[in-house]
Amino acid sequence: GENVEQHPSTLSVQEGDSAVIKCTYSDSASNYFPWYKQELGKRPQLIIDIRSNVGEKKDQRIAVTLNKTAKHFSLHITETQPEDSAVYFCAARGNTGNQFYFGTGTSLTVIP
Amino acid sequence: GAGVSQSPSNKVTEKGKDVELRCDPISGHTALYWYRQSLGQGLEFLIYFQGNSAPDKSGLPSDRFSAERTGGSVSTLTIQRTQQEDSAVYLCASSPGLAGGAGELFFGEGSRLTVL
Repeated sequence: GENVEQHPSTLSVQEGDSAVIKCTYSDSASNYFPWYKQELGKRPQLIIDIRSNVGEKKDQRIAVTLNKTAKHFSLHITETQPEDSAVYFCAARGNTGNQFYFGTGTSLTVIP
Repeated sequence: GAGVSQSPSNKVTEKGKDVELRCDPISGHTALYWYRQSLGQGLEFLIYFQGNSAPDKSGLPSDRFSAERTGGSVSTLTIQRTQQEDSAVYLCASSPGLAGGAGELFFGEGSRLTVL
């Protein structure tokens, strides 16, 4: 099955700085890569996603890039704010089913 | 309700007891997933239901774990003879389930299980 690795496990940045979280996947057939944000005590919620036919996608302060050849994708948050503090999970979905495999999460802290 | 509903939100049980966790997905969603989240850990896949197809049980950690989905809607995750290592938050998610289509997962609030 798919194996998704995520780094770093923890990340602290000053407010206003950028944050980057990286994930790698093993199954070249995976074709959909969502990112979820989980605030403390809350449920994970989708913040951005990218499909395998696209190299980059932006939504205001967040962006995701995908390198299919290297099998890695990254989340970029610019102009970070304290409310960006949360755990972020990447995931990959295979081509032959609707199965999602998640990374181990990155705990982001934005220091005011 | 409009979202995924899980119950109970918290369950404390003694080692060796059986527990049942319930998930009520968003109406019309054909795909339903169970994940386990241990303290400070990622989301561990347990089981996946898609419509009337046979479920993907490849993530169930042992034969003490089972799940069913009745009528294509509500799902129950059962853990028999609970062990302390079963303590975790059990998250349910649903999605429209269109193969190759939109894939957003909608998560419930989770059921926190503590095995003493």
